[in-house]
Amino acid sequence: DAGVTQSPTHLIKTRGQQVTLRCSPKSGHDTVSWYQQALGQGPQFIFQYYEEEERQRGNFPDRFSGHQFPNYSSELNVNALLLGDSALYLCASSLILDEQFFGPGTRLTVL
Amino acid sequence: DQQVKQNSPSLSVQEGRISILNCDYTNSMFDYFLWYKKYPAEGPTFLISISSIKDKNEDGRFTVFLNKSAKHLSLHIVPSQPGDSAVYFCAARLSYNTDKLIFGTGTRLQVFP
Repeated sequence: DAGVTQSPTHLIKTRGQQVTLRCSPKSGHDTVSWYQQALGQGPQFIFQYYEEEERQRGNFPDRFSGHQFPNYSSELNVNALLLGDSALYLCASSLILDEQFFGPGTRLTVL
Repeated sequence: DQQVKQNSPSLSVQEGRISILNCDYTNSMFDYFLWYKKYPAEGPTFLISISSIKDKNEDGRFTVFLNKSAKHLSLHIVPSQPGDSAVYFCAARLSYNTDKLIFGTGTRLQVFP
């Protein structure tokens, strides 16, 4: 049984570009949450998707958007990249209001 | 505003001894607390949790203590093993109807032989 998978593993972009990160949840899970972990910090909640809708959102600007597909996989999109968006982006899957299982993350570097 | 704080960035402990990792929080409305362990190149993995209505939860070598009046929790690992070397994150949940976790900045534990 595959756990949470994320792609790509690493990504390098330049300021102003747009990026899409992908997450496949653990089998049987229907909820996906996204977190941003900057260097030396703990993960920060970006948003959560359940039933293809954004259920909850953290304190991130509208440049951060997402989507959940019928198979429960999810995408995180970031527009107009800033240097400060460089971070490890973690996806966590779960059943709603249950234990969250994290993927290995996507390391985004913005130059 | 850092609602969950881990003031010790690192901790070094000898194998077989006790490791104590500390976490402080500011929001008295948190109802559930969790500890995650993170190895390099892996996502955080759930370790142990405690509800705000309890003051202790134990699972094998891991025990979490909650002191609500002090807004403080701690994770005890006894005995510590080299495989416990990782970054440990304390996290809190605001209420029963949210999955949003608020994490501390982490403590890097090194267990040496």
